[in-house]
Amino acid sequence: KQEVTQIPAALSVPEGENLVLNCSFTDSAIYNLQWFRQDPGKGLTSLLLIQSSQREQTSGRLNASLDKSSGRSTLYIAASQPGDSATYLCAVDGQNFVFGPGTRLSVLP
Amino acid sequence: DVKVTQSSRYLVKRTGEKVFLECVQDMDHENMFWYRQDPGLGLRLIYFSYDVKMKEKGDIPEGYSVSREKKERFSLILESASTNQTSMYLCASSLGGLAFQETQYFGPGTRLLVL
Repeated sequence: KQEVTQIPAALSVPEGENLVLNCSFTDSAIYNLQWFRQDPGKGLTSLLLIQSSQREQTSGRLNASLDKSSGRSTLYIAASQPGDSATYLCAVDGQNFVFGPGTRLSVLP
Repeated sequence: DVKVTQSSRYLVKRTGEKVFLECVQDMDHENMFWYRQDPGLGLRLIYFSYDVKMKEKGDIPEGYSVSREKKERFSLILESASTNQTSMYLCASSLGGLAFQETQYFGPGTRLLVL
């Protein structure tokens, strides 16, 4: 059974810092991995989708990488802003679709 | 922009009531999903649908059923609500093809309290 973990569970950084969020999964037989953000009390917004054949995807200040063999993905956020404060979740699509527990990010002005 | 709407943001029901949660998407998406989100358990897939009148069980379908009579609408039904179904319910849709290989777009969620 696929298990997805995210480290750290929470992170607080000053504005302007570059940061990395981590996602690990136990079964490397996946089709894709997605990163989402969730604002408090709201639904999820898709940020990036990486197909299993890809190594990374970029959107603006966000860059996500995927290493299937090691069961890891990272989300890199450059020049963080207070508006980036949210919970970030990864989800893997394999035999089933499984979300990680999320990393709660706070960017302090 | 894709828009996924859910009929209620907050809902309070009593144990044993039949509850309908409605989800509508306006982008002609083939796939639609229902999740629940609970503290410490994360998001879990209840059911999904890849076409009108088609449905597939997710990880936790027990106590739920779904209906997809029209492409744009996907309903989650709690036949007899129980307190352990108190949760945040999230609906999503995606374009087509294999259900999870496209970007999913989420609605704002319905917070259901069962007393």
